[in-house]
Amino acid sequence: SQKIEQNSEALNIQEGKTATLTCNYTNYSPAYLQWYRQDPGRGPVFLLLIRENEKEKRKERLKVTFDTTLKQSLFHITASQPADSATYLCALDDGERGGSYIPTFGRGTSLIVHP
Amino acid sequence: NAGVTQTPKFRVLKTGQSMTLLCAQDMNHEYMYWYRQDPGMGLRLIHYSVGEGTTAKGEVPDGYNVSRLKKQNFLLGLESAAPSQTSVYFCASNDRGGQETQYFGPGTRLLVL
Repeated sequence: SQKIEQNSEALNIQEGKTATLTCNYTNYSPAYLQWYRQDPGRGPVFLLLIRENEKEKRKERLKVTFDTTLKQSLFHITASQPADSATYLCALDDGERGGSYIPTFGRGTSLIVHP
Repeated sequence: NAGVTQTPKFRVLKTGQSMTLLCAQDMNHEYMYWYRQDPGMGLRLIHYSVGEGTTAKGEVPDGYNVSRLKKQNFLLGLESAAPSQTSVYFCASNDRGGQETQYFGPGTRLLVL
């Protein structure tokens, strides 16, 4: 069966360091992968999308890599700040359903940045 | 633009009661989705719609019905609520399916006693 794995244990890092979160998947051949941020009591907010033919995508302090051979995406936050503390979700398409790509989400990893 | 709004924000139901959750978006998006989020389970897709008048089942559709009579609204109904449906429900929308970013609403917290 198809599966998306994100580290269930919280990632604790010191302010200023680079945070690296992992999204692994099995039995998928996704055309794209997305990362979202979710704060407690709020809906997820889109951060970055990377397509299968892209190796890396950057946006300000954020970087996403997509390795279709390893079936893995890495999400990096450089110069992390306490305000970056949140849960980060990866999502990838569940395969084409009648011409529509419907995303499936991982369970998310909690990031805690200590001052 | 308000984006995606959800009504109500919080509701308590007794087992067997029915209710409808309303999702509205003002971005003219074609696709709309209903998810539930439970601790340790992540976001799970209940139903989705690829356009006005269409609906389709997601990963966990049992016990729920949906309707998309107007493009801007997507309703989620619980005909006979069960404690297992205690959850936080999120609505989302986007323009071209999963290849585009999804815009999420603030969520509806539902407690079924």
